[in-house]
Amino acid sequence: AQSVTQLGSHVSVSEGALVLLRCNYSSSVPPYLFWYVQYPNQGLQLLLKYTTGATLVKGINGFEAEFKKSETSFHLTKPSAHMSDAAEYFCAVSPNFGNEKLTFGTGTRLTIIP
Amino acid sequence: IAGITQAPTSQILAAGRRMTLRCTQDMRHNAMYWYRQDLGLGLRLIHYSNTAGTTGKGEVPDGYSVSRANTDDFPLTLASAVPSQTSVYFCASSDPFKSGTTFYEQYFGPGTRLTVT
Repeated sequence: AQSVTQLGSHVSVSEGALVLLRCNYSSSVPPYLFWYVQYPNQGLQLLLKYTTGATLVKGINGFEAEFKKSETSFHLTKPSAHMSDAAEYFCAVSPNFGNEKLTFGTGTRLTIIP
Repeated sequence: IAGITQAPTSQILAAGRRMTLRCTQDMRHNAMYWYRQDLGLGLRLIHYSNTAGTTGKGEVPDGYSVSRANTDDFPLTLASAVPSQTSVYFCASSDPFKSGTTFYEQYFGPGTRLTVT
């Protein structure tokens, strides 16, 4: 069984400030972890993913996330927010074998304050 | 441009009516999925298909059916729509061998916004 918890359904940051979106997971087997972004009226787009190897992964648009097994976390960060980062962000988990079905968190809506 | 197309973009449907949401991908991915997205609930898996000719139930399959006659198409049917099926529906596809990795990155279509009245 697996699950994802995203803390904070809404996050607001000022333009240029640090973005931190939190994700904690629960999985009975080693997980694969993903962050997806959804811009208004669009489908989901993969931001970044962790499978094996380096625990700090870099994605598109300057985002990165760190897999911390001891904390069962996969928080998403970006050093300096841009207006174009306003979107909804979803964390997702899947087991690292066979079954490919993703379990998504409930999402975090990021607002950027000018 | 390679990707996933969904039709219709949006639809208003009377309760009790039958509706098929269409999904087509041109990436020759083996696996396909249907999700519904509801405010505060994120995305929930309705049905999936690991390969043409096979289907499986996801987290919320009741009231929905799917078929997978070929690799490219994965239609979702609501046999008798109810207001609780008002949602945004996303189709997705994946194929670990196509991507050259052992994990399952999913690619999403633009969605269908369905309102059942």
